Amino acid sequence: QLQLQESGPGLVKPSETLSLTCTVSGGSISSSTYFWGWIRQPPGKGLEWVGIASYSGTPYYNPSLKRRVTISVDTSKIQCSLKLTSVTAADTAIYYCARFSDDSDYFDYWGQGTLVTVSS
Amino acid sequence: QSALTQPASVSGSPGQSLTISCTGTSSDVGTYNLVSWYQQHPGKAPKVMIYEGSKRPSGVSNRFSGSKSGNTASLTISGLQAEDEADYYCCSYAGSSIWVFGTGTKVTVL
Repeated sequence: QLQLQESGPGLVKPSETLSLTCTVSGGSISSSTYFWGWIRQPPGKGLEWVGIASYSGTPYYNPSLKRRVTISVDTSKIQCSLKLTSVTAADTAIYYCARFSDDSDYFDYWGQGTLVTVSS
Repeated sequence: QSALTQPASVSGSPGQSLTISCTGTSSDVGTYNLVSWYQQHPGKAPKVMIYEGSKRPSGVSNRFSGSKSGNTASLTISGLQAEDEADYYCCSYAGSSIWVFGTGTKVTVL
């Protein structure tokens, strides 16, 4: 059974860089059929698509975050990472890692999510 | 890219059917049959219920069904059960390798 686990600092200072890692177990991260993505959810609010990346191709980002976000896949570590620069309080959210099926266009496996708070 | 529009809340009694709408534009829902629906219980990660507009992943109850008309996609829950009480989000492909979520709907079972 595929499992995804997010990890990283729970507290980030304003203007700094948010860095999270998603470790994948129970399956391959190198399949061309799947992308690996991040979705975030501010406390008490809705879901926001952040972006997706595959191990071999171009990443795709939410246009509203594109200047600040980088998503990458490390096949040697079986991890997907998220970096978001110049964070503000508006970036406070639960960040979910998820696998995206390129064949059927949906997120089929999700991590449990990790809360990141932006505060000084 | 703006979020797809969903009603903030809908409610129904056990056994009844209810429908959640997801309104987009001709640039997303109206053009692509790539709408997925996610169920999220409090404190939990979302779970896919419908993909490609009307297809159910293995293990999802056939009480859940999806459809589309014009720029609006819909999720129908029939035979409403207490366990269906959750937040529901639609998600659509919006072209140019971008996806957008809906605003979310809280379903209450009375």
